Amino acid sequence: QVQLVESGGGVVQPGRSLRLSCAASGFTFSSYGMHWVRQAPGKGLEWVAVIWFDGSNKYYADSVKGRFTISRDNSKNTLYLQMNSLRAEDTAVYYCAKEDIVVIDHWGQGTLVTVSS
Amino acid sequence: SYELTQPPSVSVSPGQTARITCSGDALPKKYAYWYQQKSGQAPVLVIYEDSKRPSGIPERFSGSSSGTMATLTISGAQVEDEADYYCYSTHSSGSQRVFGGGTKLTVL
Repeated sequence: QVQLVESGGGVVQPGRSLRLSCAASGFTFSSYGMHWVRQAPGKGLEWVAVIWFDGSNKYYADSVKGRFTISRDNSKNTLYLQMNSLRAEDTAVYYCAKEDIVVIDHWGQGTLVTVSS
Repeated sequence: SYELTQPPSVSVSPGQTARITCSGDALPKKYAYWYQQKSGQAPVLVIYEDSKRPSGIPERFSGSSSGTMATLTISGAQVEDEADYYCYSTHSSGSQRVFGGGTKLTVL
């Protein structure tokens, strides 16, 4: 079955960088778009970014545009999120999610990123 | 930026019908999707393309959309339906995606 396992979360100081990874299995990774979605403590879901199945298109939420970069390595079945210039408001659980024609149909369990000095 | 608006909370007694709305300017042209999230868990899709129900989702969950408003209806809500519910859709350009602010459903 579909499995999405995030890693790379942790505590980081404001202004620093962090890279998240998501290892995918149980489906043909190179055929599907992938997303990052985050959820700040006690808050709602916030869509962060999407990448097309072949990496040809990437879109970002206004709140992270210019600071975050989504990428993928289809040979390794892995999705990435490079996060630069981190701010306190980026503190959240970050979910990796699989798309099937627009709809997000599978989610990982999430990795916590805490931005604090 | 594009926004989807939901009521913060809805409360019903067991067996009653719960309705959660989601409004957005692009909804006449873009599908709405609904996710259920229970405390400490990842979200689960309960309605896709306005009104379709994924396999394994109880029949009491239904969806509809008219104009700029989509609605999730839970007919005969049960205690186990207590959760946060989020609508989700795409920007009219088809690029950015967005979640509504979420609605906390209380069944008691």
